[in-house]
Parts: sequence; structure tokens; C-alpha cells
Amino acid sequence: GAVVSQHPSRVICKSGTSVKIECRSLDFQATTMFWYRQFPKQSLMLMATSNEGSKATYEQGVEKDKFLINHASLTLSTLTVTSAHPEDSSFYICSADESRGKAETQYFGPGTRLLVL
Amino acid sequence: GEDVEQSLFLSVREGDSSVINCTYTDSSSTYLYWYKQEPGAGLQLLTYIFSNMDMKQDQRLTVLLNKKDKHLSLRIADTQTGDSAIYFCAESDYSSASKIIFGSGTRLSIRP
Repeated sequence: GAVVSQHPSRVICKSGTSVKIECRSLDFQATTMFWYRQFPKQSLMLMATSNEGSKATYEQGVEKDKFLINHASLTLSTLTVTSAHPEDSSFYICSADESRGKAETQYFGPGTRLLVL
Repeated sequence: GEDVEQSLFLSVREGDSSVINCTYTDSSSTYLYWYKQEPGAGLQLLTYIFSNMDMKQDQRLTVLLNKKDKHLSLRIADTQTGDSAIYFCAESDYSSASKIIFGSGTRLSIRP
């Protein structure tokens, strides 16, 4: 099946620094990728939809200047958490859409756990 | 707005059937999904059902959909220790099939 990777799997950083998380589709091209955030024992909340070659679409309440998304190629999207603070600590999961508009072909990465001290 | 609700915990004895329930509010939901998340891992799509179906079976998994009551259930037959995980119910609609709304997840634990 289709594989999506994330890097790093775990990161610890100091408050005020920026952290970049990569999401790659390894064996397929993904025009659309999604970024989710999951708090402990809670559901996944969609943060933004990342479209290759265009600006990301952010969900209501998500600061686009705080969470910078770049979808530079059909296999790579990056999420940069700028000036991270402890409240940004969370589990960030990406997904990649293999077939345009079909959610059953949306594959999830293993997630990146961010801890901001 | 869309909302998907699930109970938070379920404990079953190994070998019994597990039934995880979910309710949703969006009447335009077209696709309904069950995902599995093991500790520290991403999500694995277990199965999905179109809204014009009322049942789907795939090996040990049976999905039942009551569209009138907006109720979805996942039955796992002969539950094994490897089934321990969080199970997420999710939905999307035809107009934005890639945008998935997730429930809060049900943590399934298996007791011997």
C-alpha cells in the first residue's frame, strides 16, 4: 500500500525556536496533503490543507503565520511551527491524498511528537 | 457544523465481540470511516462505507450504518490482544471528500 513518512518522529525544542516537520509520500504523488494536530487523548483536528504549488488553506482558528506550510513538490509538504511555545506541544500527523478528492485513498503518516520546553 | 461523537472507552474480554458506536450530525455525509491508531503511531484506515449502504463486512469487521439515526457502529468479531488501539469514527461529504472530520476516538482494551 501507499506509504507516507514524517520526519522527525520526535523533536524537543526550546521555547521561541522554530521547528520544521516534513511529510513525504514515498511511492505516489500527492497533489493534496493535510496537516492534523492531536492533543493527548483527543481527536485529530485538521489544521490545513496543503496543495502543491499554491497556498495552503487553513482551518478556522489556525494561525497561518504560526504554522507555515510549504508544498513544494508532489511528494513533499513541510509544516514549520514558528516561535514555538509549550502550548504548541502536540502530536502532528500529516496525510497525503493519492487520488484527487477521494478520502478513502488518503494515507496517514506515523506522526511527529513535538515537545516545547 | 459537523460533529462526530464516540464513547471514550471500551473493555472486552479476549475472544468476545467488540462493538464501537458513533453518532454524527452532518446529514450530507457521504463517506463514513473507521480508523485504527496504535500507541504512538499514525492512523490506519480499517474500513469505510458509503452512505447509501447499510452494512459492510470485511473478515472480522462489520460496519452497520443507520442513516436515519445517523448512527455508525464497528463490530470486531473474536477480539484479540492485537486489536487494542484507539478507534476513530470519521466522516466526509461529497463536496469535500478529502476533508475528514474525526470523532474523539474510542480506546479499546482487551482483558484476558
